[in-house]
Amino acid sequence: DADVTQTPRNRITKTGKRIMLECSQTKGHDRMYWYRQDPGLGLRLIYYSFDVKDINKGEISDGYSVSRQAQAKFSLSLESAIPNQTALYFCATSETPGQGPPDTQYFGPGTRLTVL
Amino acid sequence: SQQGEEDPQALSIQEGENATMNCSYKTSINNLQWYRQNSGRGLVHLILIRSNEREKHSGRLRVTLDTSKKSSSLLITASRAADTASYFCATVYSGNTPLVFGKGTRLSVIA
Repeated sequence: DADVTQTPRNRITKTGKRIMLECSQTKGHDRMYWYRQDPGLGLRLIYYSFDVKDINKGEISDGYSVSRQAQAKFSLSLESAIPNQTALYFCATSETPGQGPPDTQYFGPGTRLTVL
Repeated sequence: SQQGEEDPQALSIQEGENATMNCSYKTSINNLQWYRQNSGRGLVHLILIRSNEREKHSGRLRVTLDTSKKSSSLLITASRAADTASYFCATVYSGNTPLVFGKGTRLSVIA
């Protein structure tokens, strides 16, 4: 969905490096999410934000941090990357319930991260 | 973890056949959604069913929800090769909790 963009699309890095993944959206949604996808494990929630001043940990937040710079931007950082953080990372957005379908999410195209 | 479980993990059928995927979850839900993911791409929302609904249709998709059994099924009728993808169910437990995704069913439709 072109309304949600992620950069970079692919990244190869080394153990110990700091990495930032960026997400931007033009949908005007307040809610944004970061997920990680590993083969056979589905999507697991890393962090989520219900508005600019709100940050919440998800199921697997250890080793990650986030920044919500504006309504449209939500960044995910790996302070010191390790090989088991190799995965496909997705950003998603959703409307606030009451303004549309409850929590239907719109996904970006994903970032494939490899940590050597 | 409150993660739902899809069944089967993988399904292979011939073009024109129907495909049925099931999802089970653990606690009471506000709504249940189905998403589709083409290989390596972002998920796309297919259909949402609320806890007070039992069945919904959208084109060739039919979703049922049985809250007493805490389960849902997704039926794709007259499947096409283009339906080849992974399908995920996702549950909303309340208005202010994020979606919880299952592990997905990988569907292959052979032409």
